[in-house]
Amino acid sequence: EAGVAQSPRYKIIEKRQSVAFWCNPISGHATLYWYQQILGQGPKLLIQFQNNGVVDDSQLPKDRFSAERLKGVDSTLKIQPAKLEDSAVYLCASSLDRAGGDTQYFGPGTRLTVL
Amino acid sequence: AQSVTQLDSQVPVFEEAPVELRCNYSSSVSVYLFWYVQYPNQGLQLLLKYLSGSTLVKGINGFEAEFNKSQTSFHLRKPSVHISDTAEYFCAVQKNSGTYKYIFGTGTRLKVLA
Repeated sequence: EAGVAQSPRYKIIEKRQSVAFWCNPISGHATLYWYQQILGQGPKLLIQFQNNGVVDDSQLPKDRFSAERLKGVDSTLKIQPAKLEDSAVYLCASSLDRAGGDTQYFGPGTRLTVL
Repeated sequence: AQSVTQLDSQVPVFEEAPVELRCNYSSSVSVYLFWYVQYPNQGLQLLLKYLSGSTLVKGINGFEAEFNKSQTSFHLRKPSVHISDTAEYFCAVQKNSGTYKYIFGTGTRLKVLA
């Protein structure tokens, strides 16, 4: 089965510019997650979708970050405007359901550098 | 709220030697426990998980972990490591109710030396 796809793999922008990341989860997976992984740290959950509804966005900086999951499949994460501290790897993951114990399957990530 | 502590940020070990990567957690509710591995320039992949039952869990690539409720630990072990095991290892806990949110530790970089 095809894994979680993300694009682009790398992105370099200047501060105050905007950027968008795309994620295509594994077919049939109801739950989709966006994580931010800063160098030397573990992944931090930004937002969790169940189908096309938001389950948890408590750690999403809503003044500059937004995310959507149209039709409960693909998802986009946007940053506008970007700050230097947004430099990180953005990971997308999906799971069959959000029930306890489900394995999360991760994409390769998008490495964002903000200059 | 849950939290995860990985006590060692880096662990160097010689090839064919045993290794233990430590993970401690805290939570006021029941949790599920996971170990994920991240190879360079790749996403995370599941090594093993504890949901219930036997406290000794076996995973892929010869890894195993033991859940210790009294010590709130879930240490990862391998009796003999290979060069290819060089990677970042993340312990994670998931609350088993509500949003079923994952919390990841800060990771342990395992470097296997020839």
